[in-house]
Amino acid sequence: EVQLLESGGGLVQPGGSLRLSCAASGFTFSGYGMTWVRQAPGQGLEWVSAITGSGGSSYHADSVRGRFTISRDNSKNTLYLQMNSLRVEDTALYYCARDDAPGGGYYDFWGQGTLVTVSS
Amino acid sequence: DIQMTQSPSSLSASVGDRVSITCRASQSVSPWLAWYQQKPGKAPKVLIYKASILESGVPSRFSGSGSGTEFTLTISSLQPDDFATYSCQQYNSYPKTFGQGTKVEIK
Repeated sequence: EVQLLESGGGLVQPGGSLRLSCAASGFTFSGYGMTWVRQAPGQGLEWVSAITGSGGSSYHADSVRGRFTISRDNSKNTLYLQMNSLRVEDTALYYCARDDAPGGGYYDFWGQGTLVTVSS
Repeated sequence: DIQMTQSPSSLSASVGDRVSITCRASQSVSPWLAWYQQKPGKAPKVLIYKASILESGVPSRFSGSGSGTEFTLTISSLQPDDFATYSCQQYNSYPKTFGQGTKVEIK
């Protein structure tokens, strides 16, 4: 059974940093691209960052480029999102999701999310 | 970036109704279009991928159609479990943008 379990969310002041983790199980982690998607309170889904199965390529939304970094450790079956210079507008529930293919596709499995609140 | 626009933003319908939601892309994304269903407090769940392919386990009352820049999600006979928010997403190119969502409510 595919499982994705996010952790690392919390309350942080503007300008602060957080590192989110997504522990994966039930599938060959390195064989799939992975993605972070966020959802601000009461809002729609926003694609944030993606990384290929090998970790060789990564992509970021303009809204987070230069502040967030996606990475993965295939030996630990874990996906990460390092978030620096956090802004109030980064407040959201952050989901990790599995791409249906190594190089990226649609998202066939999702975690339950971890909440990031940026506030002074 | 490719912009995805859904219509309507919300709709009210009764059990048994046929419901259609439209998603328009600012440029062609064919056939790389997915539809997701999301219920309050839950993660999204994929219903349709590659514009018209039903994900395994999804009821056959859901269907997807369209090509190029215009796509439609249809629920042939709305059931109580279908009241939720539906979002389209293009995965033709990065960033893989989502539509703003369509909330389907009980009339």
